[in-house]
Amino acid sequence: KQEVTQIPAALSVPEGENLVLNCSFTDSAIYNLQWFRQDPGKGLTSLLLIQSSQREQTSGRLNASLDKSSGRSTLYIAASQPGDSATYLCAVLKAAGNKLTFGGGTRVLVKP
Amino acid sequence: DTAVSQTPKYLVTQMGNDKSIKCEQNLGHDTMYWYKQDSKKFLKIMFSYNNKELIINETVPNRFSPKSPDKAHLNLHINSLELGDSAVYFCASSSTSLTQYFGPGTRLTVL
Repeated sequence: KQEVTQIPAALSVPEGENLVLNCSFTDSAIYNLQWFRQDPGKGLTSLLLIQSSQREQTSGRLNASLDKSSGRSTLYIAASQPGDSATYLCAVLKAAGNKLTFGGGTRVLVKP
Repeated sequence: DTAVSQTPKYLVTQMGNDKSIKCEQNLGHDTMYWYKQDSKKFLKIMFSYNNKELIINETVPNRFSPKSPDKAHLNLHINSLELGDSAVYFCASSSTSLTQYFGPGTRLTVL
């Protein structure tokens, strides 16, 4: 059974500092991994999707890496801004299926 | 031009009642999902439909019954609501195995 863990559960940084969010998963037989952002009381917004054959994906200040063999992904957010404050969720898609398994999320607060 | 929409946004009801949540997507996706996010913010899949056929059913009580009248709609009906059903329910859609797009969620409160 796939288990996804995100550490830390919460993170507080001053504005301008780089953010490093970690995600680990127990079963390396994944199809892809997605990072989402969730604002309080809102739905989820997809940030990045990394296919199992890829090592990383970049979008603006966001960079996500994937090491499938060790079951890890890291989301880097450069030069954090107060608007980056949200909960970040990683989720893995099981190979040959549509089941997305989520981690518990990391709640990020960027202080002005 | 909302991609995935859900109604209602909030639902407050008494224990024992039956309620439905509706979901519609205009993205042309062939797969739709229902997720439950509990008070600890943990998101878990409940159901997945592909082209109107059930493909994932994750040990959800029989009181929960999804219905997909067509590819663009996936509704969730809940019978005999219990206190533990209180949560935020999210609908999502995707083309098979690609990025999932989520609706805004329906916050269900059972009193």
